[in-house]
Amino acid sequence: GEDVEQSLFLSVREGDSSVINCTYTDSSSTYLYWYKQEPGAGLQLLTYIFSNMDMKQDQRLTVLLNKKDKHLSLRIADTQTGDSAIYFCAESYGGSQGNLIFGKGTKLSVKP
Amino acid sequence: DAGVIQSPRHEVTEMGQEVTLRCKPISGHNSLFWYRQTMMRGLELLIYFNNNVPIDDSGMPEDRFSAKMPNASFSTLKIQPSEPRDSAVYFCASSIRMTYGYTFGSGTRLTVV
Repeated sequence: GEDVEQSLFLSVREGDSSVINCTYTDSSSTYLYWYKQEPGAGLQLLTYIFSNMDMKQDQRLTVLLNKKDKHLSLRIADTQTGDSAIYFCAESYGGSQGNLIFGKGTKLSVKP
Repeated sequence: DAGVIQSPRHEVTEMGQEVTLRCKPISGHNSLFWYRQTMMRGLELLIYFNNNVPIDDSGMPEDRFSAKMPNASFSTLKIQPSEPRDSAVYFCASSIRMTYGYTFGSGTRLTVV
């Protein structure tokens, strides 16, 4: 079945770049998403990329998609302590009425 | 826009009791999703509705779980009887189109003792 894999932890120093990686299995996924979850809160949509795109940039966030390898990454430039959170990758399946499959999340820790 | 509203934020109950979680989606959103989050299993989809109709409930763990959406602005997730292994954070999310992803509520932290 469909599956989304992420590494569980990432630790970086403030000011460095963070790269969070994700692999997915459904090659027909139309959209791929990155969500952020801060402690005690729900998931917040950070950004998404359409499957016919290779890259999307939004301020400090850069999303790279390698459709051949089914690999998605999120790069956060100039990482700040406020970026400490759990980041979830998600793929869509089932068309417009389908739902999202989430990875288990990567916990990003930013050290001052 | 107040976002997706869930209640209660926290619920502590004794094993065997009935628990009802509530969700108000964003006005105009036509899809509603119930997720459960635990450390062990991550985020699991329990059930989702499209235009108030349940589409896929294959994630509902067992018959003790039931969900309803009587109208476009309200949904409930009920657990009867509750068990300690049901302890988790339960999220409701809504969406209007897949392009825009989902908007999640703040969750209900359920503890069954």
